[in-house]
Amino acid sequence: KQEVTQIPAALSVPEGENLVLNCSFTDSAIYNLQWFRQDPGKGLTSLLLIQSSQREQTSGRLNASLDKSSGRSTLYIAASQPGDSATYLCAVERPRSMKTSYDKVIFGPGTSLSVIP
Amino acid sequence: NAGVMQNPRHLVRRRGQEARLRCSPMKGHSHVYWYRQLPEEGLKFMVYLQKENIIDESGMPKERFSAEFPKEGPSILRIQQVVRGDSAAYFCASSRSGDHEQYFGPGTRLTVT
Repeated sequence: KQEVTQIPAALSVPEGENLVLNCSFTDSAIYNLQWFRQDPGKGLTSLLLIQSSQREQTSGRLNASLDKSSGRSTLYIAASQPGDSATYLCAVERPRSMKTSYDKVIFGPGTSLSVIP
Repeated sequence: NAGVMQNPRHLVRRRGQEARLRCSPMKGHSHVYWYRQLPEEGLKFMVYLQKENIIDESGMPKERFSAEFPKEGPSILRIQQVVRGDSAAYFCASSRSGDHEQYFGPGTRLTVT
């Protein structure tokens, strides 16, 4: 069964620091991996999507990497800002050809990031 | 192009009542997904629909919950005879046919009193 974990559960950094959020998944048979941002009481904003054939994706100050063989992804945030404070979720999607009885898209529990001015 | 829209944003129901949550996908998107986020828990997949078809409902409770995505109009997640344990944030996402990137709506926060 696919399980997704995220470390750390919470992180507090001073403004301007570079930081790395970690995501691990137990089954390397994934279709894609996506990083989301969730602000308190709000919905999800997709940040980066990495297809299983890709190694990384970049958008502005964000860089996400994917290592399927080791079941890991990292989200790197450069020069953090107070506006980056939010919960960051990673989610993996299984290939749609697979028939199983459990969730198609598995979300991790999230990392709560606080960037201190 | 408007994003995924959900309404209502907040819904309060008493135990035993029915809750109807609506999701309008992005223009051009024919795939809809519903997720539930219980307090202090992560998002859990509930159901995946295409127009007029339920593709995968493996994450949806067998009783009291149903979902539809008619040919015209929004997708509806219906919860009958709500109980306190149904209190959660319900998120809808949509994707374009053949495109796996899901775009999420703002969610509906259901409170059962």
